[in-house]
Order: sequence, then structure tokens, then C-alpha cells
Amino acid sequence: QVQLVESGGGVVQPGTSLRLSCAASGFTFNTYAMYWVRQAPGKGLEWVATLSYVGSNDFYGDSVKGRFTISRDFSRSTLFLQMNSLRPEDTAVYYCAKSRSGDYGRGMDVWGQGTTVTVSS
Amino acid sequence: YELTQPPSLSVSPGQTASISCSGHELVDKNVYWYQHKPGRSPVLVIYEDNKRPSGIPERFSGSNAGNTATLTISGTQAMDEADYYCQAWDIGTEVFGGGTKLTVL
Repeated sequence: QVQLVESGGGVVQPGTSLRLSCAASGFTFNTYAMYWVRQAPGKGLEWVATLSYVGSNDFYGDSVKGRFTISRDFSRSTLFLQMNSLRPEDTAVYYCAKSRSGDYGRGMDVWGQGTTVTVSS
Repeated sequence: YELTQPPSLSVSPGQTASISCSGHELVDKNVYWYQHKPGRSPVLVIYEDNKRPSGIPERFSGSNAGNTATLTISGTQAMDEADYYCQAWDIGTEVFGGGTKLTVL
């Protein structure tokens, strides 16, 4: 079945870096846009980043622009989120999600279980 | 672009729950709705304003007119208690509403 499994979360200090991974299975990875979405403690869902299905177009939320980079490895069917210059306000559960239909802007129909990132000194 | 939802809504079992989502000329965009329960992953319950993914019960429906989209749950059940988020795409950005906590009591 279609599945997304995130990994790479942890506790890190402010200013450091972390890379999240999302292993995809059960669908043709190179034909769907992919997303990262996060939820900070006690807050709502916040879109973080989008990568087009061909991997050539990427978009970022204002709060992470210039610090985070989304990428994908087609050979391993894996999505990544490189997070640099982490701040306490980046503390959240990070979900990867799959586009419902082809490219971006069409909803997210499959979500991973989430990985927790805590940024604290 | 911003989407605005009421923070909370309470209904009794069997009643109809209507959750609103407001945004400028929202009717010109496709709206998506997600159900999110504590400790679980979000679930897409409505796509493109009013379509239900397979496996989503018929009691979930959606509409979009003018500046407001609405998620309607008919015959609300205890299992429907969750946070609900609307979402739309706007020039490269995926925008989520702030979420509505639905309590069934």
C-alpha cells in the first residue's frame, strides 16, 4: 500500500542543522509532488515546503525560506528536508505528504506518521 | 493569502456540524479539508471543494461559494471529534486555515 515513513528527527541546539528523510513506497514516486508540513506544540498545521514531481520547482513558507531546502532522490524514492540555522520556533512534528494528483496545488492525500524535531539549548 | 476558521465548534451526536473557512474570493480556488486527531496523521476528507476520497463516509460533504467554503458533517458521530483544517493553493504556496476543534458531546 501507499506509505510514507519519516525519520531523522531529534533534539538539537539552536543554530545547528538537521536533515529529515521520508521514504516513499507503494506509488510511482517520480510522478507526484511532495510536501513537508509541520505542527508546533499546541498549534495548527503549517505548510513548510513543496517540491514538484520532476524536482525542478521548490517553494517554501516564509518562516523557513533561506534556511530549509527540500529535495528528493528518485533512485531511492526518498524525500528530504535539510534544515539549517534551526530556531526554537522550528520545534514541531514534521510530516511529509504526497500530492493527491500529479503536481502541486492539488491537495495531500497520503501523510507519514511524523517525526519530532525539538530545538532547545 | 489567508484562510480563517472558527477555533471551535460543539455539536451533539446525530446533529449536523458545519465548519466554515473564509478567504478572499475563495470560490476561485480549490479547497481541501483535512481531519486531524491527536497522535495521528492528518486525513484528507474533502478535495476540490466537494469531492470525497474513497473510504471517507458519505456524511462528509463540502461546498465553496463567494468567500466561504464549508465542511458539513451530517449525523455527526463521536469518532468525528477532531481538528479540521481547510487548505488552498495560492501562487506556489499551500495555505492552511488555523483549524477548528470539533467537539461531539
